[in-house]
Amino acid sequence: EAGVTQSPTHLIKTRGQQATLRCSPISGHTSVYWYQQALGLGLQFLLWYDEGEERNRGNFPPRFSGRQFPNYSSELNVNALELEDSALYLCASSPAAGYSNQPQHFGDGTRLSIL
Amino acid sequence: AQKITQTQPGMFVQEKEAVTLDCTYDTSDQSYGLFWYKQPSSGEMIFLIYQGSYDEQNATEGRYSLNFQKARKSANLVISASQLGDSAMYFCAMREQGYGGSQGNLIFGKGTKLSVKP
Repeated sequence: EAGVTQSPTHLIKTRGQQATLRCSPISGHTSVYWYQQALGLGLQFLLWYDEGEERNRGNFPPRFSGRQFPNYSSELNVNALELEDSALYLCASSPAAGYSNQPQHFGDGTRLSIL
Repeated sequence: AQKITQTQPGMFVQEKEAVTLDCTYDTSDQSYGLFWYKQPSSGEMIFLIYQGSYDEQNATEGRYSLNFQKARKSANLVISASQLGDSAMYFCAMREQGYGGSQGNLIFGKGTKLSVKP
């Protein structure tokens, strides 16, 4: 069974540009979560999608947005990039809502560097 | 608001010895889930063990066990017989309640860096 896959592995952008990160969940998983791991700040929850809908949002500005496609894959968009957006962005997936004891399985992440 | 606290930024343990990584949590929910993840230097997050708030027995998974003390709101991870490959960051996390009582996103502690000495 393929795990959560994220692309690209690394992404280098400059201030003000836009970045798009992609995530494919484990087959059969309908929930996708995005987390930001900036240096020294631990993992911060960004966005949660389930069945194509945004279910919850962390304390991030609106320039962080995303969507979930009919095949449950997801995209995270970051507009007007700032230096502090440099971080490892981790995507996780889990089965459909209701399986509360199921862990979230993570991808290997996209390392976004802002120059 | 829910909160996870890991008070040990770094820990050292001798190979083959046991080590306990501390985690305390704060929540007003009656139903919640607690998770431990391992993050090696390569960056991937590896699920280790889960404890549900209504589970009466402490969870165990191989060399990992969870010392769950609900009244004290603590969920400490115990790694027995440490191996060099256990050197990594370890994160304690709690699942927030989502819509309609479903599972929600995870809230993470700041992590503990474990170093295993040969």
